[in-house]
Amino acid sequence: GQNIDQPTEMTATEGAIVQINCTYQTSGFNGLFWYQQHAGEAPTFLSYNVLDGLEEKGRFSSFLSRSKGYSYLLLKELQMKDSASYLCAPMDSNYQLIWGAGTKLIIKP
Amino acid sequence: GAVVSQHPSRVICKSGTSVKIECRSLDFQATTMFWYRQFPKKSLMLMATSNEGSKATYEQGVEKDKFLINHASLTLSTLTVTSAHPEDSSFYICSARQLAGDIETQYFGPGTRLLVL
Repeated sequence: GQNIDQPTEMTATEGAIVQINCTYQTSGFNGLFWYQQHAGEAPTFLSYNVLDGLEEKGRFSSFLSRSKGYSYLLLKELQMKDSASYLCAPMDSNYQLIWGAGTKLIIKP
Repeated sequence: GAVVSQHPSRVICKSGTSVKIECRSLDFQATTMFWYRQFPKKSLMLMATSNEGSKATYEQGVEKDKFLINHASLTLSTLTVTSAHPEDSSFYICSARQLAGDIETQYFGPGTRLLVL
């Protein structure tokens, strides 16, 4: 079967760094996406990894290890507006995104 | 990133009526769009894949006669919830697939919140 495993909820302090881990199992693999979803809103695209390694984009970085079925999203210099759910979504052999429930990140002052 | 719009953003309707939701890719052409629904605090659930000029592909358990999908152009897909009932109340989100080189990304519309009374 296909599944995603992410922590349900994480808490971090404003200005700090947080790493959100994701392990996955899919039928085939065509890259992995990270999306941010604020409460009551649709997801917004953050990053895409298809090769092993780290992709950096401003305060956000995403890492992928295909052999381990593992990815993480690293958020630096946390801001209150980063409070949201973060969705790890691998793409399977049919080019469909596989969705889990995401990680709810709570930022405290 | 690419822009996808969705209309309406919110709709309240009476049980038994039909509701049409539009999804548009504003700055790119999308041969493939996706329709999702999401219940509070739950993950996105793919309902169907909409392909321009052909019939939509529905996921298991999704009634194609109830959720009519039309992808008449490269920038517009519509989802019609026919004879809506209270259990159809949900957050409906569309996404459009954009191909840029070898990278394929889904961009989401802002979603439509449907409440059936």
